[in-house]
Amino acid sequence: DTGVSQDPRHKITKRGQNVTFRCDPISEHNRLYWYRQTLGQGPEFLTYFQNEAQLEKSRLLSDRFSAERPKGSFSTLEIQRTEQGDSAMYLCASTKLAGGSYNEQFFGPGTRLTVL
Amino acid sequence: GESVGLHLPTLSVQEGDNSIINCAYSNSASDYFIWYKQESGKGPQFIIDIRSNMDKRQGQRVTVLLNKTVKHLSLQIAATQPGDSAVYFCAENIGTQKLVFGQGTRLTINP
Repeated sequence: DTGVSQDPRHKITKRGQNVTFRCDPISEHNRLYWYRQTLGQGPEFLTYFQNEAQLEKSRLLSDRFSAERPKGSFSTLEIQRTEQGDSAMYLCASTKLAGGSYNEQFFGPGTRLTVL
Repeated sequence: GESVGLHLPTLSVQEGDNSIINCAYSNSASDYFIWYKQESGKGPQFIIDIRSNMDKRQGQRVTVLLNKTVKHLSLQIAATQPGDSAVYFCAENIGTQKLVFGQGTRLTINP
C-alpha cells in the first residue's frame, strides 16, 4: 500500500497521560498536514510541514501539542497531559508541491484518540 | 471569516437516483474548492475539485458546480449506488493549501 499510513489506528489513554502518533506520508510528498476531526464535524487544520520545516500552526494547537518531521519524511504529533477534550480523530495528509496554488491532499486513515 | 458550511446534514435518496449535495462558503479569497467523501472509519477521500475561475467541472458520475455570486458549491452524483453512502465534505483551499472543511452531509442510499 503506497498511501498515507498512520499509527496507531486507535489509542485509549487516561487524562494526564502523554500520547504520540505517527504519520508516514506518500513517498516523495514534501508537504505533510495534521488535522483534527471531532464527531460529526469536518477536519480542522492543526499544522503543516514543508519538508522538515513547520510552516504554520493553528491556534487550535495549544502548547501541549507538538509536531515534528525531523527528516522530512514521517511526522509525529505528541499531546502532553491529555484532556478529555482532546478526544478526536487525528488525520494526516500529504501532497507534493508542484507549482500552482493547489495540489491534492491525500489523507491517511486517522488515529482515533479517546481520553478517559 | 474562514468558514465553509453545508445546508443539509443528511440526505437520503433511492438507488439509481441523482443526488445533489450543497455547500455554502464565505471566503472570497479561496482559489480551489474540493469535495471529499469519508466512509466510516476512514480518512477523507478526494472526489473532485474546481478552480475558482470555473463554474462547472465533471468527473466520472460526479459534477461540481460553483456559483461565486452567491458563494455556493454543489456536488451532483449521477445514478447513485450503495457504495456512494458516506459523509461528504466540501472544503476550500486558501493560499497556503490549508483546507477549511464544512460540517459534512451524510448521504444514505436506499435500495
